[in-house]
Amino acid sequence: ETGVTQSPTHLIKTRGQQVTLRCSSQSGHNTVSWYQQALGQGPQFIFQYYREEENGRGNFPPRFSGLQFPNYSSELNVNALELDDSALYLCASSLGTTSSSTDTQYFGPGTRLTVL
Amino acid sequence: AQSVTQLGSHVSVSEGALVLLRCNYSSSVPPYLFWYVQYPNQGLQLLLKYTSAATLVKGINGFEAEFKKSETSFHLTKPSAHMSDAAEYFCAVISGNTGNQFYFGTGTSLTVIP
Repeated sequence: ETGVTQSPTHLIKTRGQQVTLRCSSQSGHNTVSWYQQALGQGPQFIFQYYREEENGRGNFPPRFSGLQFPNYSSELNVNALELDDSALYLCASSLGTTSSSTDTQYFGPGTRLTVL
Repeated sequence: AQSVTQLGSHVSVSEGALVLLRCNYSSSVPPYLFWYVQYPNQGLQLLLKYTSAATLVKGINGFEAEFKKSETSFHLTKPSAHMSDAAEYFCAVISGNTGNQFYFGTGTSLTVIP
């Protein structure tokens, strides 16, 4: 039990649609990171937010965007869904005392997105 | 750039046997290394982490890992496998140059044979 929750647990969308995934971090954690985990693969870093500002981005197109809110919740938005976006999306929160902190990340259970 | 390589996508051991899961890292700076476990349909759970203190790191559930700089390795071991250890295991390294972005390996699926 990491104290990180995600909603919804499962989601089915069609190609071209938009989706919003939500994450609730541990209280007091300033940093949230989002990962995409395709079937049979390790998680791939999408981006990270530190105190509501983007603090690093992986090799994902701009149609992947995010928000972090003061109440330790965050969102991952994906526009113009493609079939390859089907994956498990994980958020992870960490204490993040600075923007370059290397604190342990605590993962939520993930949202399984299926794009048809 | 940081990366990790996990040798062996599938490992099978008998219950009670030694578990050895391999991880080699590449890092231009002293790395922070982690092992996570993922059970079916669940998120990742931290097993242990190396942060430049002791080279032998003990984690939860009887797992430990040894950081060997000369071999650029951080292999995960457990003396005696239990059925409940069957899961997917991921090694990860932090990129300290771009915040705390984690680079994960492709994972090793551990099967425990009764």
